[in-house]
Amino acid sequence: SAVISQKPSRDICQRGTSLTIQCQVDSQVTMMFWYRQQPGQSLTLIATANQGSEATYESGFVIDKFPISRPNLTFSTLTVSNMSPEDSSIYLCSVTPSADQETQYFGPGTRLLVL
Amino acid sequence: DAKTTQPPSMDCAEGRAANLPCNHSTISGNEYVYWYRQIHSQGPQYIIHGLKNNETNEMASLIITEDRKSSTLILPHATLRDTAVYYCIVSYYFGNEKLTFGTGTRLTIIP
Repeated sequence: SAVISQKPSRDICQRGTSLTIQCQVDSQVTMMFWYRQQPGQSLTLIATANQGSEATYESGFVIDKFPISRPNLTFSTLTVSNMSPEDSSIYLCSVTPSADQETQYFGPGTRLLVL
Repeated sequence: DAKTTQPPSMDCAEGRAANLPCNHSTISGNEYVYWYRQIHSQGPQYIIHGLKNNETNEMASLIITEDRKSSTLILPHATLRDTAVYYCIVSYYFGNEKLTFGTGTRLTIIP
């Protein structure tokens, strides 16, 4: 498995501001993903974070709203831009370890509340 | 990815075996069956996966029918800490593919 940390673990933000969430893994991974879980809902994939190139976004998610970086094999960031209360969710990163490419492991999540 | 159908909720007595069913009648030959659980909005925790054969690990057993159209996750001796939402997911090359989460089964372990 992989040990995944996310920062911050939670935050309360004002509408119109932006928040950058970090995902750090303790070992090399091939794939990194970002998911959103709205209150009372299941998880939805936002995008695949590609190393050295632009992220691949799912339908309904755009780069201007959720810019993603992945500068190396163990780190990625997701920014939630120009936030509104509808962005209040748990944001989770998941990874596929290079040593275990049949499985995805999830980070603990970042709880975001937008006022 | 094939879609899955799970009961929305189940109860199980503490110490008994919890059997969680999943239907995936449109599964393709190379799609795996994966199970995750999410305890009170923590990050989903990987439990087990399989292709055709039954699988067992330290957490659970996975029984896949011969036609692969359904499966059952078995927690052999449920404890209160097993109370969670359990997700059954089918996917190709799982590690490199996005996961499509359904609504899962909310399992409540009763003392």
